[in-house]
Amino acid sequence: DIVMTQSPDSLAVSLGERATINCKSSQSVLYSSNNKNFLAWYQQKPGQSPKLLIYWASTRESGVPDRFSGSGSGTDFALTITSLQAEDVAVYYCQQFYSSPWTFGQGTKLEIK
Amino acid sequence: EVQLVESGGGLVQPGGSLRLSCAASGLTFSRYWMSWVRQAPGKGLEWVANIKEDGSERYYVDSVKGRFTISRDNAKNSLYLQMDSLRAEDTAVYFCARALYSYWFDHWGQGTPVTVSS
Repeated sequence: DIVMTQSPDSLAVSLGERATINCKSSQSVLYSSNNKNFLAWYQQKPGQSPKLLIYWASTRESGVPDRFSGSGSGTDFALTITSLQAEDVAVYYCQQFYSSPWTFGQGTKLEIK
Repeated sequence: EVQLVESGGGLVQPGGSLRLSCAASGLTFSRYWMSWVRQAPGKGLEWVANIKEDGSERYYVDSVKGRFTISRDNAKNSLYLQMDSLRAEDTAVYFCARALYSYWFDHWGQGTPVTVSS
């Protein structure tokens, strides 16, 4: 199984500042035939279901604010939130869909400093 | 608007069975892979099972193979998870989700809680 490891486990950032969450996979999730990284990012606010933010590592889902962006390739990825808003307080998860079983990172809790 | 509404969760004794349902609306259900994802109390997300549009392919996480069965009824726009031989470690909120191309989960239900305890 591909193990997804996020860092840090928790993060406190001031309003308006940048937050970066990292995700590392135990093996590459870059599919050579289409040059796509099989990775997604989700946001889960307290008491809510997860919400898809990013797929193919860097493609923003429709309706997701452009302050959210995904980057990286191979085994190292990042989710960046520029200009943090109060409503961004949540737990963020990465997920690989390169090989079954699909696996998630352990989550990163983002709070306001 | 896509809506996924789970039901069927509850308290069950170890070794018991439970059948979860997910009613889908606002989408052409038969055109999409569907999944179950669970979240143990205070823990992260764990993919449980996937089923292809026509039900011809099904995949499971190892920890539930042989105990859980995912199925669907496209005529009823419904997804199911039959859970047998339940264990304490199966205690979680179970989410129904649309799995686009079987890969990522772009729509989620609100979840139904399952507690396995004596």
